Amino acid sequence: DIQMTQSPSSLSASIGDRITITCRASQDIRGDLGWYQQKPGKAPKRLIYGTSRLHSGVPLRFSGSGSGTEFTLTISSLQPEDFATYYCLQHYSSPQTFGRGTKVEIK
Amino acid sequence: QVELHQSGPGLVKPSQTLSLTCAISGENVSINSAAWSWIRQSPSRGLEWLGRTYYRSKWYTDYAESVKSRININPDTSKNQFSLQLTSVTPEDSAVYFCARSPVAGDFDFWGQGTLVTVSS
Repeated sequence: DIQMTQSPSSLSASIGDRITITCRASQDIRGDLGWYQQKPGKAPKRLIYGTSRLHSGVPLRFSGSGSGTEFTLTISSLQPEDFATYYCLQHYSSPQTFGRGTKVEIK
Repeated sequence: QVELHQSGPGLVKPSQTLSLTCAISGENVSINSAAWSWIRQSPSRGLEWLGRTYYRSKWYTDYAESVKSRININPDTSKNQFSLQLTSVTPEDSAVYFCARSPVAGDFDFWGQGTLVTVSS
């Protein structure tokens, strides 16, 4: 199985900050990387798939980049509703595998 | 808009079978451009894909190696839903279970609400 290593595991930031989360794959996954947002007690919500394609309705402050084995999620200006846990997912090969998550907290 | 609604018990005794159902609205379970998966989440294992079913002229299933000997995922075309059965459960199977749709991209775009399943006597 492809291992996904996400960093940092948590971060503290303020409203309006720009933040970046990184995900590394144990092998080349081309561009088949997605990002999800999860709030307590809720299912994960798709933000991005295929490295940089925004899911319908996702605000433009979210963006993704990368290729091969290294990928990033950037939130350009953190909003109150963005405080949550974020997960990466490789969808290059089965079984699809997730990172362990990055918890974004209010500073 | 696709919606997935899960149902099933939240408490299962050790050695028994965990059974959950995912009802689909807004799409047909037999569509040949999507797959239907079960995923679980626990503090120890994180988010873990368990398996999927999909229709491509006939029905197929794929399962994670970790549960392959104990799992069944079945479509029910008459009710437009699919189900999960996990046999011989232990406390390590306690988790929040989600159903989800995979589009052509292969990730998961729509999710059920989640069901907390506790394995305990």
